Amino acid sequence: DTAVSQTPKYLVTQMGNDKSIKCEQNLGHDTMYWYKQDSKKFLKIMFSYNNKELIINETVPNRFSPKSPDKAHLNLHINSLELGDSAVYFCASSQAGRAVAKNIQYFGAGTRLSVL
Amino acid sequence: DQQVKQNSPSLSVQEGRISILNCDYTNSMFDYFLWYKKYPAEGPTFLISISSIKDKNEDGRFTVFLNKSAKHLSLHIVPSQPGDSAVYFCAASRSGNTGKLIFGQGTTLQVKP
Repeated sequence: DTAVSQTPKYLVTQMGNDKSIKCEQNLGHDTMYWYKQDSKKFLKIMFSYNNKELIINETVPNRFSPKSPDKAHLNLHINSLELGDSAVYFCASSQAGRAVAKNIQYFGAGTRLSVL
Repeated sequence: DQQVKQNSPSLSVQEGRISILNCDYTNSMFDYFLWYKKYPAEGPTFLISISSIKDKNEDGRFTVFLNKSAKHLSLHIVPSQPGDSAVYFCAASRSGNTGKLIFGQGTTLQVKP
């Protein structure tokens, strides 16, 4: 039973399209995250939600819009896809609250997005 | 500005020997450090962590050492096993920062039988 699951695992699409990636966690955590791993393999935080409230919003184009319908789900919608959006996107969750240092995050398997 | 750096992109070690993976950071406000392990086509999995109030944490074959004055941490794996072959990421966070993790760029460890 997968703790953090993302769908789809692979996504191939054309420039200009709009796509969504879904994430669900069954760990009972209160905080969820989206990370982007680029071609240089850096893992960088994009967004974080705590109990459906946006708490981290890094410098990400506003074509990227996260949505958290409840604390077990965090979806990522991307409008007008560009070549540079090609990357692996990871969802993660933790029981962190807001100001907790000991933040062990649990990751999904990733979604490999290829924009042609 | 990369606040967490893993300067060795790869490391190759013989089975049974010690693997030492290194990580440097620049932000003295970081007070919690983690190591993650990643296999191909999988997400990173948590391995071991250390709080800044400690200088060592051990869990089975894995030990993390923290040198705050040098802003350096290392992960020791003893003895190394072929199943340890993976990419290892160092990450850091600080209290009151919404749980944000800053990752290094990873070190690929290959353990040869």
